[in-house]
Amino acid sequence: AQSVTQLGSHVSVSEGALVLLRCNYSSSVPPYLFWYVQYPNQGLQLLLKYTSAATLVKGINGFEAEFKKSETSFHLTKPSAHMSDAAEYFCAVSEKGAQKLVFGQGTRLTINP
Amino acid sequence: GAVVSQHPSWVICKSGTSVKIECRSLDFQATTMFWYRQFPKQSLMLMATSNEGSKATYEQGVEKDKFLINHASLTLSTLTVTSAHPEDSSFYICSAADGLQEYSNQPQHFGDGTRLSIL
Repeated sequence: AQSVTQLGSHVSVSEGALVLLRCNYSSSVPPYLFWYVQYPNQGLQLLLKYTSAATLVKGINGFEAEFKKSETSFHLTKPSAHMSDAAEYFCAVSEKGAQKLVFGQGTRLTINP
Repeated sequence: GAVVSQHPSWVICKSGTSVKIECRSLDFQATTMFWYRQFPKQSLMLMATSNEGSKATYEQGVEKDKFLINHASLTLSTLTVTSAHPEDSSFYICSAADGLQEYSNQPQHFGDGTRLSIL
């Protein structure tokens, strides 16, 4: 069975600082991995996805994530945080051939001015 | 592209009434849509998978008779919360993936959610 663990339910960084949101997955088959962002009272917006191509994936709004099979990780990073990045971030995994997504618990990102 | 529209965005109603939530894929066809429930400050919990032209597949612990799902066309799925009670109050979100692609290779696109409050 698949599972996702997001380390840290709340991350706080200063504006301009590096953003690092951690995600570890468990899957019995090669996974597809996604990062989504959720703003208050809204649905989820796709930031980026890994689907067995390049291990370093670039997404929208300056975010990127690196798939590391040896570490079963898919951490999300952004070199310089912006106030508008404050939101809830979800890592998700799906197995090839399946549509069902399994979400992590989410990480709330706060940006300090 | 790949827009999913969910309606209504907010609904308040009395206990005992039924509430219907619509989920539409505006610019693509979706043979499968998903319904999630999200409690405050928590992750999304998959409730059911909605399949066009067939019965929905419910996750363990989700009451089929309480949460009725209909997927009558390739662009519309509805979730009806029947005889709603205060404990059904939550944020409900739908999603869909482009039905013409290998499913798991394509990201799901989410609606903006419906906040349901039962008094």
